[in-house]
Amino acid sequence: GNSVTQMEGPVTLSEEAFLTINCTYTATGYPSLFWYVQYPGEGLQLLLKATKADDKGSNKGFEATYRKETTSFHLEKGSVQVSDSAVYFCALDNYGQNFVFGPGTRLSVLP
Amino acid sequence: KAGVTQTPRYLIKTRGQQVTLSCSPISGHRSVSWYQQTPGQGLQFLFEYFSETQRNKGNFPGRFSGRQFSNSRSEMNVSTLELGDSALYLCASSFNSGIITDTQYFGPGTRLTVL
Repeated sequence: GNSVTQMEGPVTLSEEAFLTINCTYTATGYPSLFWYVQYPGEGLQLLLKATKADDKGSNKGFEATYRKETTSFHLEKGSVQVSDSAVYFCALDNYGQNFVFGPGTRLSVLP
Repeated sequence: KAGVTQTPRYLIKTRGQQVTLSCSPISGHRSVSWYQQTPGQGLQFLFEYFSETQRNKGNFPGRFSGRQFSNSRSEMNVSTLELGDSALYLCASSFNSGIITDTQYFGPGTRLTVL
């Protein structure tokens, strides 16, 4: 079946540090991959997505590249801000099957 | 375009009661999915409705049920509430015809507390 694995954290960084949150997946075929972010007290918001191998999704300084050879979709940001503190979820969608989410990674950015 | 809305935002019930949660998807979206989010279990998929039919179902007991109306609005019902049902219930909508992959858009959630 489909599954997503990601580092659970929590991850604590200082402002302006480099961020990487690892995500790997298991799926047949060519799923679409997503990163969602959840701020305290809110629902999930789409951060970025990629629909085919070697696609790079980007938004608000965050990037992730769909690597089929390593079945990975790692999230990166060059310089985090306090406002980036949230929980980040990696997810996949495999052609109409239900979305599969990773466990989420809590990020805390200290000033 | 209005986002996904969920009502109510907060709910307090006692054990044994039942509860109905409502979700209005983004206009034009025909797929509605429901998730339960708890600190211990994370995000767990409950079920998905498409064109008034349940298309996918997660691994939850029969106390959890749902339906979808012709305008794509969806309701979720939990009967005989247990303390462990306390959670944030999230609804997500997408265009998802099942033929292509699509993005899910989430509502703010309904926070259910069972006392």
